[in-house]
Amino acid sequence: EPEVTQTPSHQVTQMGQEVILRCVPISNHLYFYWYRQILGQKVEFLVSFYNNEISEKSEIFDDQFSVERPDGSNFTLKIRSTKLEDSAMYFCASSERTGDSSPLHFGNGTRLTVT
Amino acid sequence: KQEVTQIPAALSVPEGENLVLNCSFTDSAIYNLQWFRQDPGKGLTSLLLIQSSQREQTSGRLNASLDKSSGRSTLYIAASQPGDSATYLCAVTPGNTGKLIFGQGTTLQVKP
Repeated sequence: EPEVTQTPSHQVTQMGQEVILRCVPISNHLYFYWYRQILGQKVEFLVSFYNNEISEKSEIFDDQFSVERPDGSNFTLKIRSTKLEDSAMYFCASSERTGDSSPLHFGNGTRLTVT
Repeated sequence: KQEVTQIPAALSVPEGENLVLNCSFTDSAIYNLQWFRQDPGKGLTSLLLIQSSQREQTSGRLNASLDKSSGRSTLYIAASQPGDSATYLCAVTPGNTGKLIFGQGTTLQVKP
């Protein structure tokens, strides 16, 4: 069964550094998402992306975050200047379409540790 | 603002028991509701999706129900097995954008 793949599985970075988290969504999916889960907290929506544009973003997704689909297969999340509170598990997801019948498929996540 | 709550936070049962996990949401204007399974250190696996017009969905030993008017969903697991041990997450889609709002999850342990 096709799946969403994320790399790396674990990233350690120093405060103030830039990180890029990478995702390969399922090939026929058109809608892409990033979520995060801080340890012990709920999974939170960050951003949705369709047709090379952000379609919705949360309050968390401020100017230090950006997303890009640099080619036909990858979907990336960049954090420009990491803070300690950015430490979390970041999940990429994709769906074939939106609407009431299209489930989201999630990757295994990238654990980001900011020291 | 939509809030999703799951009760109980943790549950431990002996193998073979039938069990029910509960999910409630504050705003009944949803497109769908999804139940996910999360294993430690892993991603989220979609178990069931109930569209807003549906009352329930079934997959194998899992049955999920939805009562939009009361803002509630239940996940019923029949004849539980140790392999069912995981965290179960409920999430609602408030609009037609694919954005999900999650509950905090119920961590299930099934003892052999």
